[in-house]
Amino acid sequence: DGGITQSPKYLFRKEGQNVTLSCEQNLNHDAMYWYRQDPGQGLRLIYYSQIVNDFQKGDIAEGYSVSREKKESFPLTVTSAQKNPTAFYLCASSIGAGGNTEAFFGQGTRLTVV
Amino acid sequence: SQQGEEDPQALSIQEGENATMNCSYKTSINNLQWYRQNSGRGLVHLILIRSNEREKHSGRLRVTLDTSKKSSSLLITASRAADTASYFCATGRSGNTPLVFGKGTRLSVIA
Repeated sequence: DGGITQSPKYLFRKEGQNVTLSCEQNLNHDAMYWYRQDPGQGLRLIYYSQIVNDFQKGDIAEGYSVSREKKESFPLTVTSAQKNPTAFYLCASSIGAGGNTEAFFGQGTRLTVV
Repeated sequence: SQQGEEDPQALSIQEGENATMNCSYKTSINNLQWYRQNSGRGLVHLILIRSNEREKHSGRLRVTLDTSKKSSSLLITASRAADTASYFCATGRSGNTPLVFGKGTRLSVIA
């Protein structure tokens, strides 16, 4: 089955820790995205990548970092510099860059600071 | 930045009724998309309408686009309890800029 897999589904982070959220896709999509969703809110773009070894900041990149070493993988690291990391994180991919085709989403990772 | 604004924020209807959600946006677009999100899950693409289209249908879904008013509507006919979810509009612009999502409409369909 083709799709996007995010792991873990739930993640707990202690204050001052970095954590990495995994996102893998087997759809052969060039573009991948990370969004953050807070309760009752829409999606805000953190980072996106249109091609391997290249990525751009979104609207709320501070405190986050990404890498795109392989086409299939786009991990997101939430660093200790992110002061309010508790949120629902969604990874997505699309066949082309930009918003001209539909995006496919993973099932999300819920991150909680303890 | 959030381009789309859905209206209403929340909508509660009886099973069998029609549900209409609206989306307004601010800048010119190439296309507008609607997505559905069940509680605690990822988003699922419903329909894409391009800027040169005025209306599109998919099953019980009907989407309209009025570029002169910078607005779109999503109509779900003969709603079912399983339609209970949040619905988001997302705008695609020229170039390689990613989709920009609104805050969503929370739809509750009561059996």
